[in-house]
Amino acid sequence: SSELTQDPAVSVALGQTVRITCQGDSLRGYYASWYHQKAGQAPVLVIYGKNSRPSGIPDRFSASSSGNTGSLTITGAQAEDEADYYCGSRDTSGHRWVFGGGTKLTVL
Amino acid sequence: EVLLVESGGGMVQPGGSLRLSCAASGFIVSNSNMNWVRQAPGKGLEWVSVIYNDGETYYADPVKGRFTISRDNSKNTLYLQMNSLRAEDTAVYYCARESIDYSNPYYYYYYMDVWDKGTTVTVSS
Repeated sequence: SSELTQDPAVSVALGQTVRITCQGDSLRGYYASWYHQKAGQAPVLVIYGKNSRPSGIPDRFSASSSGNTGSLTITGAQAEDEADYYCGSRDTSGHRWVFGGGTKLTVL
Repeated sequence: EVLLVESGGGMVQPGGSLRLSCAASGFIVSNSNMNWVRQAPGKGLEWVSVIYNDGETYYADPVKGRFTISRDNSKNTLYLQMNSLRAEDTAVYYCARESIDYSNPYYYYYYMDVWDKGTTVTVSS
């Protein structure tokens, strides 16, 4: 198996751009998918693959990847984007999943 | 509408057992890769187990030998049988569908696109 590492907390001013990163060996073979989670709610998929968004997710969310690092960028952060963000991917065995520890995003 | 509805959570004593159920609608469980993911209080997401569409199963090390994932195709329902429960199994448990995007010929994109609302399991004496 493998681990994914995320910064515990990030803050951004309203309307500004923020990047949340995720590092791990599994990301050399698999793209990260990204989830946001608000208090008391289930995770919600926001980005998957190279840079694909499920329907209903605003286009201010985008993703990129390089080597063992995946990134989620929010361009023009809104108050409603304040949440915990998790990256996840199949692990290096390809059979299981692994999640990052989560990044708490605060919109100032 | 694609939906997962979970049931079966509750409080149990250490060493006890519990079975979680996750009923699907809008898609066929046996055609999908279905996962259990848990979240301990104040902690992050932790993957627990998967059952692939071909029936193969895998478990995270902390639950291997104690938890069993299964499905009932006739009921379109996923299960997690949890035995020998420990305090550290206390968490909100989610079932989630894995989807795969085959659009890129060099990479498949794996993601969990459908989650249920979660059910709380508390292991305490």
